[in-house]
Amino acid sequence: GQQVMQIPQYQHVQEGEDFTTYCNSSTTLSNIQWYKQRPGGHPVFLIQLVKSGEVKKQKRLTFQFGEAKKNSSLHITATQTTDVGTYFCAGYDNFNKFYFGSGTKLNVKP
Amino acid sequence: NAGVTQTPKFRVLKTGQSMTLLCAQDMNHEYMYWYRQDPGMGLRLIHYSVGEGTTAKGEVPDGYNVSRLKKQNFLLGLESAAPSQTSVYFCASSYDSYYEQYFGPGTRLTVT
Repeated sequence: GQQVMQIPQYQHVQEGEDFTTYCNSSTTLSNIQWYKQRPGGHPVFLIQLVKSGEVKKQKRLTFQFGEAKKNSSLHITATQTTDVGTYFCAGYDNFNKFYFGSGTKLNVKP
Repeated sequence: NAGVTQTPKFRVLKTGQSMTLLCAQDMNHEYMYWYRQDPGMGLRLIHYSVGEGTTAKGEVPDGYNVSRLKKQNFLLGLESAAPSQTSVYFCASSYDSYYEQYFGPGTRLTVT
């Protein structure tokens, strides 16, 4: 069946260091959405990518959708303590089924 | 706007008991979803609805039923709770498919 895996599962960084999480799907995705979930909170939408090779930026966050539309990445430059949380990718496969990735939990030490 | 609300916030059930979780949205969204989130795992789709009066199965539908009698409400039912259904349940809504999903605050359910 469809699987959307994210690596790493956990990442601990010192404040100011960069962070990247990778999202890999077993099949082609029609789109990629990224969500952030703060500890004890609910997922909050960050961005959506739909085009092959698309790159979008939000301040210190850079999102990329792979050329084959089977992978994506989120890169945070110079992490801050406010970046703490779990980052999830999600997307629709070619059967119009929506899947969330397994998530990457980010911890930032001040 | 309240966005997406869920009731109750917490619930403890004994094995075999039944309950209904209520989700309400005030954004006039067509799509609504029920997810469960288990420790260290992502969100898994239980059921979803593409409009009033419609429901469809997601990735893990067994043991759950849903109803969407009104556009703004999406109910999730557990007819006979099992310890494996201990989880945090999130409801979400979106304007249409491929649009961002707005999540409720979640319901923490424990089945003993």
